[in-house]
Amino acid sequence: TAGITQAPTSQILAAGRSMTLRCTQDMRHNAMYWYRQDLGLGLRLIHYSNTAGTTGKGEVPDGYSVSRANTDDFPLTLASAVPSQTSVYFCASSDSWEGSYNEQFFGPGTRLTVL
Amino acid sequence: GQNIDQPTEMTATEGAIVQINCTYQTSGFNGLFWYQQHAGEAPTFLSYNVLDGLEEKGRFSSFLSRSKGYSYLLLKELQMKDSASYLCAVVDSNYQLIWGAGTKLIIKP
Repeated sequence: TAGITQAPTSQILAAGRSMTLRCTQDMRHNAMYWYRQDLGLGLRLIHYSNTAGTTGKGEVPDGYSVSRANTDDFPLTLASAVPSQTSVYFCASSDSWEGSYNEQFFGPGTRLTVL
Repeated sequence: GQNIDQPTEMTATEGAIVQINCTYQTSGFNGLFWYQQHAGEAPTFLSYNVLDGLEEKGRFSSFLSRSKGYSYLLLKELQMKDSASYLCAVVDSNYQLIWGAGTKLIIKP
C-alpha cells in the first residue's frame, strides 16, 4: 500500500522561482495537511483541507497556496520562493478533521532548499 | 497562546527505561498524540490519550493528566532502534494538532 506519496524527494530552487510540491494519498481520507518542519521547531501547519473542494489557512500560510480539486491530491505551491522557505515539507492525511481521535498519516517529506 | 514543552534531548542506555515528558497549555483539549520520527523520515503514530491514566502498548506506555496539562511517554527495554525524536501533539478546541518541537532520544550501548 502506497499510503501518501510526495514529489519531489528533494529540490534546490533559486529564489524568486515558483514550485509545486505534489502530494497524493490512496486511503480515501477526507482531510489533508501541509506542514513544514524546521530544526528546533515543531511541525507547523501551512494549509489544510477538511474535504475535497475546501481549504483553510494554518499557522504559517504566507507565501504558499493550495488546492484540493479531488480527494486524493493536495498540491502546495510556492509562487515566488524565498530563502526562509528552506525546510522539510510533510504532507499528511486523516480520515476526518473532526473528533478527538484524528490520527494523521505522513508522507515521506520533501526537502527544499531555496538559494 | 498555545504551547507544548518537551525536553530537547535525552540520553539513555540500551536495555534501560526512559520517560519523556510533555507539558501543554492549549485552547481546549481533545486528546494527545505521541509520534516517533527517525532522522530523515516521516513521523509515525505511537499512542493516543484522551482520558487520564496510562495506556500500554508493548514496550511503550503513555500517561495523561488533564488537570496538570501533562503527559509522558515511557519506553522500556530500550533498543538501539529506539534512537529517534519523539513528538508530543495536542488536539485543540478546533481539532487542530499543536505540535511540540520533539525530544531527540539518543541510546548508548
